[in-house]
Order: sequence, then structure tokens, then C-alpha cells
Amino acid sequence: QQQVKQSPQSLIVQKGGIPIINCAYENTAFDYFPWYQQFPGKGPALLIAIRPDVSEKKEGRFTISFNKSAKQFSLHIMDSQPGDSATYFCAAGGNDYKLSFGAGTTVTVRA
Amino acid sequence: EAQVTQNPRYLITVTGKKLTVTCSQNMNHEYMSWYRQDPGLGLRQIYYSMNVEVTDKGDVPEGYKVSRKEKRNFPLILESPSPNQTSLYFCASRIRPGANVLTFGAGSRLTVL
Repeated sequence: QQQVKQSPQSLIVQKGGIPIINCAYENTAFDYFPWYQQFPGKGPALLIAIRPDVSEKKEGRFTISFNKSAKQFSLHIMDSQPGDSATYFCAAGGNDYKLSFGAGTTVTVRA
Repeated sequence: EAQVTQNPRYLITVTGKKLTVTCSQNMNHEYMSWYRQDPGLGLRQIYYSMNVEVTDKGDVPEGYKVSRKEKRNFPLILESPSPNQTSLYFCASRIRPGANVLTFGAGSRLTVL
């Protein structure tokens, strides 16, 4: 049973659009929420991460929004570009050093 | 270049034929882990290792074995592969168990006929 539920499964946007990926979790012991980006033929790579003491974190065009009371967090890609086309995984971790990953979202940005 | 190297990258085998997927990291990381990636299921942890000679089961360990005799290497062994082990496998490492950044290898696509 997946501990982190991710939606949607896939997403297509036009260049400049803002794809939004949502994740939800149940385990309140989770205290670390990273997002990984995976290009075809490559392994996932850490994109951005947040801890529950903040509600938002921005790195370049990527923003994580975090809602602790709802146990949800989301990734927004501002001014999306074709080079952002990839699969994105949310994850959650606690003090047991394990990361539980969501099912992944394939984002396609059309030029 | 700091990296996690997996071999083979692609393998087609038959049911029951033992195989090993090797994983090596050159970053002196304590923690190493194996994941499998399946459509709609994301990345699921198979086994992990906190340090040399310390290994433990992840979420889907059935049918797999691992060993950690040296810090840099963490091979994944399929003693008797079955078709349900057809998947994309990733090895990953981080400098210590509690570190934030998990570095992944490029993946090994395994097909069991």
C-alpha cells in the first residue's frame, strides 16, 4: 500500500503553462518531502525538498507548496519549458531514513 | 565524477537463471539501497544497507538478496528470477542514512521470460 498518493498520472501543458502535481500522505511521522525529476533513460535526481516548518519553498521555476494540516503537498512548475518534460516523483521520509515514493507523474510540455 | 554505476543496463534472461546486478558508488557513501520502478507503482524499495555488513529488507524484498561486503559495492542478486521481477531497477546511495540527497544510478532494465 502506497504511503504517498500522487496525482495526476500524466499531464500535458503548453510552453509557459503551470503544471501542478499533487501528493498526499497519512503518516504524521514524515518530516521530509522531496521531489525527484527523472528524464527518459536516467535515474531520478533530487529537484527540490521541503520540511514541514515552512509552507512554501521556491527554487528557480519550481515551487513546493505544503499544507501540514491537510497532509498534502504539491509541485508547481512556473513558466514551463519543453526541457521540463520528465517524470516527477514526490516522496516522504521520516526518522527511519526510508523514503516512500509516489507513483510518479509524467509531464509533457509542448512547444 | 561522483556517481552510482549499475551493470548491466539491459538484460533479458529466462525464468530460474540466477543473475546479479552490480552497483558501485565512488562517493564513500555509507547508505545504499535498491529500488524497482514499475508503471503506476513508482519506486519501491527492495533492500537497503546502512553500512558495510548491515543490510535490511525494504518494502518488496521477496525473491531478492543483497550483500554489502565493501562500502562501495551493493550487488542485487536474483537467485531464481521469475517474470514478475521484470522491472526497471535503480541503485541509490547517500552519504549517511539521514542525509537528504539520494543519488541514483542510471537504471538496469531487466526482462525475465
